Amino acid sequence: QSVLTQPPSASGTPGQRVTISCSGSSSNIGSNTVNWYQQLPGTAPKLLIYSNNQRPSGVPDRFSGSKSGTSASLAISGLQSEDEADYYCAAWDDSLNGRGVFGGGTKLTVL
Amino acid sequence: EVQLVESGGGLAQPGGSLRLSCAASGFSFSSYGMNWVRQAPGKGLEWVSYIGGTSGNTYYTDSVKGRFTVSRDNAKNSLYLQMNSLRAEDTAVYYCAREKATAGTELDYWGQGTLVTVSS
Repeated sequence: QSVLTQPPSASGTPGQRVTISCSGSSSNIGSNTVNWYQQLPGTAPKLLIYSNNQRPSGVPDRFSGSKSGTSASLAISGLQSEDEADYYCAAWDDSLNGRGVFGGGTKLTVL
Repeated sequence: EVQLVESGGGLAQPGGSLRLSCAASGFSFSSYGMNWVRQAPGKGLEWVSYIGGTSGNTYYTDSVKGRFTVSRDNAKNSLYLQMNSLRAEDTAVYYCAREKATAGTELDYWGQGTLVTVSS
């Protein structure tokens, strides 16, 4: 059971816009920033969005993040076949003397 | 170019020990906090531990407290994870990752991972 809750799966057709949600609590998302990672099969995770809505250099602007209260969302517009991957949200959690927490991950399928 | 290369994974018996290493290059290692994140076969990501750059502050996920110890040698640009009293549920690929900000899971560079298998 992950501290941050994500839907296990999402899907869309090329060109569509899809969103992935991430639900937490006051000790994590409610008081700290949210980061998103993309993991392609057989590879290490890649930072996709940091500080709720910032994109690292090289990440297309098709990817965007938002946060409201104790929830966050990742949006992918103009869906492409290469976006098929696992997506994880993460945040710092101030409980139990401090720890990092991840969501359980969302498998995105491009139909 | 930032590079993180993990080593030290392998097969360990339940109750045994392993020491993972992460060799860093291409950046000022002492200026950054570092994390260990693991991924059990077919499962999601799990944050394991963090160590500050110069402060040496450490944090651990509950399931490894008292068994795992994170450390670093800034002179050698190296990060370590000493894993004792290993359990089957510690079986995973272990990644080291650089913290972009302060402890907060902004992990901007990752290694390729090293597989730890705990089995008799």
